[in-house]
Parts: sequence; structure tokens; C-alpha cells
Amino acid sequence: AAGVIQSPRHLIKEKRETATLKCYPISRHDTVYWYQQGPGQDPQFLISFYEKMQSDKGSIPDRFSAQQFSDYHSELNMSSLELGDSALYFCASIDQTYNEQFFGPGTRLTVL
Amino acid sequence: TQLLEQSPQFLSIQEGENLTVYCNSSSVFSSLQWYRQEPGEGPVLLVTVVTGGEVKKLKRLTFQFGDARKDSSLHITAAQPGDTGLYLCAGAENTDKLIFGTGTRLQVFP
Repeated sequence: AAGVIQSPRHLIKEKRETATLKCYPISRHDTVYWYQQGPGQDPQFLISFYEKMQSDKGSIPDRFSAQQFSDYHSELNMSSLELGDSALYFCASIDQTYNEQFFGPGTRLTVL
Repeated sequence: TQLLEQSPQFLSIQEGENLTVYCNSSSVFSSLQWYRQEPGEGPVLLVTVVTGGEVKKLKRLTFQFGDARKDSSLHITAAQPGDTGLYLCAGAENTDKLIFGTGTRLQVFP
């Protein structure tokens, strides 16, 4: 079975630009989590969606927004990018049976 | 906000040695997961433990969940260079949101 898919894998933007990251969860998983991982840091929770509704919110800047669509894929929209936004962004989808989170390969965002 | 502390932070050992990584918190978790992460890649789930005192084995890896569900350990027997990577524990409290541990970076030399 296919795992979590994220696109793009790499993204280079300049300050004040916008970026959109996409996440396609594992088939039949209806819950998506977004995490941000800075260099040498552990992943930090940003936001989550269950059945297309926001279910939880972490340390996500107001410049970021996200949504989940009817096919359960999710998009993270980032505006007014700052140098400090450079990081790996992961999404994870959940197997509700065992509450296990499966991570995608990540999108490496570099802001110049 | 609870904190999950892992120890040691860094570990360099020779092939064939045994090692144990610890994950400790003052909070109780409904479940705890162990991940291994390669540079630039997403964390890969190794195991999930949910019952206090539970022990799970995955080949040379043994995972234990503390009786009070506040701590966990990962023991690797006869480490191999392929075990090299960042090991992360992550706990789920009442929601599905994961709180990640501080990480243990393991290097196994041939």
C-alpha cells in the first residue's frame, strides 16, 4: 500500500513569498497532522484535521493556514515567508485503530 | 506542556555492542511510539506501546513501556551500522497529537 505522499519534496522561496505544501494521506486515513522540524530539532506539531475539520492547533504562525479537502488530502499555505520558516515540514496520517501516525517523506522548505 | 526527555542525546558505539535509550516524562501517556529518522527523511514508525508494563520485540530491538505509562526504553542488541540514525520517542496524551522526545542520535561504527 502506498504511504503518505508529500509534494513538493524540495521548495526554495524568497522572503515575503508564499508557499503551498500538499499532503496525501494513506488510503482510508481521515486524519492528517502537520509538523515542522527545524535543523537539529524534533518535530513540532502545527495543526491537525479530522474529517475535513480542524481538530487541534499547535504552534502555527498566523501567516500559515491549512485545510483538508473532501478526498482527505491537505494543504499547508504559508504566506509572508521568513528566513526562520526554513525547515522540514512533515505530514502524518493516522491509523485510528491503533492511534499510530505514519509520516510522509517531508518537504524541505528553504527561504532565501 | 509536558516534556519528553530522551537519554543519552548522542551515542557512538562499535558494531556488536548493546545499547539502551531512555524516554522519560512526568506525564502519563495513552500510547507511546518510537520512530527512527534518517537525515532529510520522515520519521519511520518502529513500534507503538499502549499498556503499562508492555514489552514488544522487533528483531534485535526491545521496547518497554513503564508500568505508570510515563516512561519507555528501547534496547538494541548487537548493534549494526544499519541501526545508525535518530531515534525519537513520541507520546500521545488525550488527543492524537504527538509530543516528541528530544531525540537520541545513534552512530554505530563497523
